[in-house]
Amino acid sequence: GQNIDQPTEMTATEGAIVQINCTYQTSGFNGLFWYQQHAGEAPTFLSYNVLDGLEEKGRFSSFLSRSKGYSYLLLKELQMKDSASYLCAVVDSNYQLIWGAGTKLIIKP
Amino acid sequence: IAGITQAPTSQILAAGRRMTLRCTQDMRHNAMYWYRQDLGLGLRLIHYSNTAGTTGKGEVPDGYSVSRANTDDFPLTLASAVPSQTSVYFCASSDGGGMGDTQYFGPGTRLTVL
Repeated sequence: GQNIDQPTEMTATEGAIVQINCTYQTSGFNGLFWYQQHAGEAPTFLSYNVLDGLEEKGRFSSFLSRSKGYSYLLLKELQMKDSASYLCAVVDSNYQLIWGAGTKLIIKP
Repeated sequence: IAGITQAPTSQILAAGRRMTLRCTQDMRHNAMYWYRQDLGLGLRLIHYSNTAGTTGKGEVPDGYSVSRANTDDFPLTLASAVPSQTSVYFCASSDGGGMGDTQYFGPGTRLTVL
């Protein structure tokens, strides 16, 4: 079957750095998305990786290793507003989008 | 309007009743999707439409139906609601014709079936 694993919950301190991991086992691979979802709101797009390596976008970076079936989202200089769930989603060989259950990130002052 | 709108915002429904969740986008996106989100589970695709006039079944289509008469609207109908359909429902759209493109989500409908 197809599977995406993310930690259920993580806690970090304001101003620090946190890395949220995502491992996947899917039938083929055509890209990986990260979305942010604040409580009670809709998911919003953060990043997309299809090639190996690091994509940097301001305080957020996303890394992909296709050979290891692994990605991470790196958040720097954490702010209280970064408290949210972070969803990993993989596009499989049939261009179906497989969603992880999400990682709830709690930021403490 | 800008983006995707959904209606109603929330609804409490008696089991056995029929209900239509509305979704409208003004971005002229080709593809539209309906998801449900339950605590502890990832987003699960109910139905999708790659372009106006076509629809397809997702991971959890039973008990739901959709139509795509035009580009902008993608209503989701529960023919006879059951308590297991209590969930938050999100509509989404993407510019391309498939799920490999970035999806933009509506604000969601919180549905409770009693």
